[in-house]
Amino acid sequence: GAVVSQHPSRVICKSGTSVKIECRSLDFQATTMFWYRQFPKQSLMLMATSNEGSKATYEQGVEKDKFLINHASLTLSTLTVTSAHPEDSSFYICSASFPGLGGLNNEQFFGPGTRLTVL
Amino acid sequence: QKEVEQNSGPLSVPEGAIASLNCTYSDRGSQSFFWYRQYSGKSPELIMSIYSNGDKEDGRFTAQLNKASQYVSLLIRDSQPSDSATYLCASPSGGYQKVTFGTGTKLQVIP
Repeated sequence: GAVVSQHPSRVICKSGTSVKIECRSLDFQATTMFWYRQFPKQSLMLMATSNEGSKATYEQGVEKDKFLINHASLTLSTLTVTSAHPEDSSFYICSASFPGLGGLNNEQFFGPGTRLTVL
Repeated sequence: QKEVEQNSGPLSVPEGAIASLNCTYSDRGSQSFFWYRQYSGKSPELIMSIYSNGDKEDGRFTAQLNKASQYVSLLIRDSQPSDSATYLCASPSGGYQKVTFGTGTKLQVIP
């Protein structure tokens, strides 16, 4: 149980274009999903917290107009990187959480990640 | 001040030895702790959760929590080369369902 998928796993795009990444919880309903970014050899950086049916909460320094998050259902959240630039190239990882999943709180289950390369 | 701190390593242990990974935290009110394993180029994978003082064992893994000293550790017995990865400690950090991750300790198991 607690399987989270991401699509695509890898994407290469031209500078100035937009890229959409999907995150799905496959076997549970995720009330909360998270989006992280990780640069090579660095730690996870939380970008935003996404709750179904409401606006995402962005971490300080993350541009909400550039990184659009939609959590339209309990099993799907999307991250759109708008007007991507080479500095946006990174490993984007989503995670999903459900209170009490497995009898425990705050456990997050990660998707496999999406590697974005902006040329 | 970071809420969760780890030694970045690398920690090198020979195959078959016990690897000991440590994490300290600053919030005395923290009730739950998680250990994640992250292989290079992959996303983190939850391997252990611990909520109560003492030890929790799962196969070759043992998590230890000491709330009085504010540290949590992960022991890996009979270390294998396949255990070579970065291990992340995490704890709830306020905000609904949010957790704070440490920077991770890189473990290298030498054959």
